[in-house]
Amino acid sequence: SQQGEEDPQALSIQEGENATMNCSYKTSINNLQWYRQNSGRGLVHLILIRSNEREKHSGRLRVTLDTSKKSSSLLITASRAADTASYFCATVGRWADGLTFGKGTHLIIQP
Amino acid sequence: SAVISQKPSRDICQRGTSLTIQCQVDSQVTMMFWYRQQPGQSLTLIATANQGSEATYESGFVIDKFPISRPNLTFSTLTVSNMSPEDSSIYLCSVDGQGSDTQYFGPGTRLTVL
Repeated sequence: SQQGEEDPQALSIQEGENATMNCSYKTSINNLQWYRQNSGRGLVHLILIRSNEREKHSGRLRVTLDTSKKSSSLLITASRAADTASYFCATVGRWADGLTFGKGTHLIIQP
Repeated sequence: SAVISQKPSRDICQRGTSLTIQCQVDSQVTMMFWYRQQPGQSLTLIATANQGSEATYESGFVIDKFPISRPNLTFSTLTVSNMSPEDSSIYLCSVDGQGSDTQYFGPGTRLTVL
């Protein structure tokens, strides 16, 4: 069953602006991950944040995790046209190995 | 990171037939996963496949409909049996990151059932 809920479902911004996507989940997690999917193809792993971490950075990506609110956010700074894609959060439960994905945010960067 | 290939990349099939999707990894991995992504939707885990044991299916997915093989540590197949138009989806395999919780995904198989 789908655990994560992404917000917003679609986001369109101008190149150079920052894009923020949010994700909520329902059960206890071991970690939370963000993936990108271009045009319905395979997913690319972006970043993983563990349940005992609150913030993590990787290049232009910044992820936060609030386990008390069961939510996470992904910030992409200085967006580029190549960032146009669907972004999914995914969680790994304490006992499960497969990923439970959120519904995703479709991000469009206008040149 | 692992490099994963899937065959076929896409197919159009008639209802009532079956299609077997292959997933090949360039290194030995313990766990392989199969996901379904229905049109415009997110991914849903179908099953987890470990070499040498029966696949573990998620709620809503059964072996008779989605039989899975895992003959060795670099290969797995997923069969979509007795297909109906509702099976039209992208099917993706993934592997665990060998020591990390990240997963590496294949490019997906886009299936259309008429």
